[in-house]
Amino acid sequence: QKEVEQDPGPLSVPEGAIVSLNCTYSNSAFQYFMWYRQYSRKGPELLMYTYSSGNKEDGRFTAQVDKSSKYISLFIRDSQPSDSATYLCAMSVTGGGNKLTFGTGTQLKVEL
Amino acid sequence: DAGVTQSPTHLIKTRGQQVTLRCSPKSGHDTVSWYQQALGQGPQFIFQYYEEEERQRGNFPDRFSGHQFPNYSSELNVNALLLGDSALYLCASSLEWGQETQYFGPGTRLLVL
Repeated sequence: QKEVEQDPGPLSVPEGAIVSLNCTYSNSAFQYFMWYRQYSRKGPELLMYTYSSGNKEDGRFTAQVDKSSKYISLFIRDSQPSDSATYLCAMSVTGGGNKLTFGTGTQLKVEL
Repeated sequence: DAGVTQSPTHLIKTRGQQVTLRCSPKSGHDTVSWYQQALGQGPQFIFQYYEEEERQRGNFPDRFSGHQFPNYSSELNVNALLLGDSALYLCASSLEWGQETQYFGPGTRLLVL
C-alpha cells in the first residue's frame, strides 16, 4: 500500500464548475500538506501549503486537511480551461527535513 | 528573481552509460532536493543536500549520487544507466534546512535507450 493515494483521473468538468480533488494517506506523522499543479512537460508549481488540520483559502483555491480521517482536499471554484493540468498532493513529516511524499497526481481537464 | 534552473532540458543516453544533471536553486535558497518522476507517476524523492552534504536519501540504489557546491548548486549523477531510469528528473530548492515549502525547476527529461 502506498503512503499517499490519489485518484489518477482523468477528471473532466465544464468551465465554471467546482472541482474537488482528494488524497488519502496512511502515515499519521505527516504534518505538512501541499498541493502542486503540473502542466504537461513542466515542473510542479506550488499552489497551496497547509500545516496540520484546517482550511486555507487563496483566491479560487481552498485546501482542507482532516487529520482524523487522514484525508486532504483541494477545491477549485469557477474552474477555467487554464486550470487543466495534473494536480499533485504532497506531504512531509515534522522534522523530516524537506522530503516530500507525493500522490500519483490527478489529471484535470476543464472544457469550454 | 530567477527560479530554479536545470540543465540540460533533454538528454538521450544508452544503457550502461553515465549521466550528470545540473541544478541551480532559487536565489537565497540553500537546500536542494532531487526527485525522479516516471511517466504517469508522482515525483519520488532521491536525496537532499544541505551544506554540501547529503542529508536524506530515498529508496534509490548507489548508482544515484550527488554533490552540492559552495554556491548551493547541485549535480545528480547516475551510473550504469538502465532503461527504467528513463524519467523526468526534478530539482527542488527550499529557503533553509527543514523548510517544507519547496520550489521545483522545469526538470531534465532523460531517455535511456
